[in-house]
Amino acid sequence: KQEVTQIPAALSVPEGENLVLNCSFTDSAIYNLQWFRQDPGKGLTSLLLIQSSQREQTSGRLNASLDKSSGRSTLYIAASQPGDSATYLCAVRQWYFGNEKLTFGTGTRLTIIP
Amino acid sequence: GAVVSQHPSRVICKSGTSVKIECRSLDFQATTMFWYRQFPKKSLMLMATSNEGSKATYEQGVEKDKFLINHASLTLSTLTVTSAHPEDSSFYICSARDEYWGGTGELFFGEGSRLTVL
Repeated sequence: KQEVTQIPAALSVPEGENLVLNCSFTDSAIYNLQWFRQDPGKGLTSLLLIQSSQREQTSGRLNASLDKSSGRSTLYIAASQPGDSATYLCAVRQWYFGNEKLTFGTGTRLTIIP
Repeated sequence: GAVVSQHPSRVICKSGTSVKIECRSLDFQATTMFWYRQFPKKSLMLMATSNEGSKATYEQGVEKDKFLINHASLTLSTLTVTSAHPEDSSFYICSARDEYWGGTGELFFGEGSRLTVL
């Protein structure tokens, strides 16, 4: 059974700092990994999608890396801003006997202090 | 990015009534949509996978007669909570995968629907 863990569970940093969020998964046979953010009471917003054959993806101040063999992904946020405050979730996609399985991490609640 | 619209965003109903939630992919076609339930300060719990033109696949422990899912077209899936009870009160979120005709496979989420059963 796939287990996805995110560390830390909560993080507070001053505005302007660079930070790294971690995501680890126990079964490396994944199809892709996706990072999301969720604001309170809202749905999820897709940030970055990394295919299993890729090592990293970048979008603006965000950079996500994937090391499939070690079961790890990181989300790097540069020059953090108060608007980055949200819960960040990673999710891995797999296929089991023709059925898709998406497993979410436990999330990291990020607070950027102005 | 692609947009998934979910409606209604909030609904309050009396115990025993049924509530329908719609999930639409606005600018792409989705053969597969997913329905989740989220409890306060918890991650998402997958309820079912909605497949266009066929029956939904429910996760273990989810009552298919209680949570009716219909995926009638490539852009619309509906979740109907039948005979709702207060314990069904929750935040329901749908998602759709952009994977039809060369899509990226990226998953997009609706804004969620807050159901309160009195």
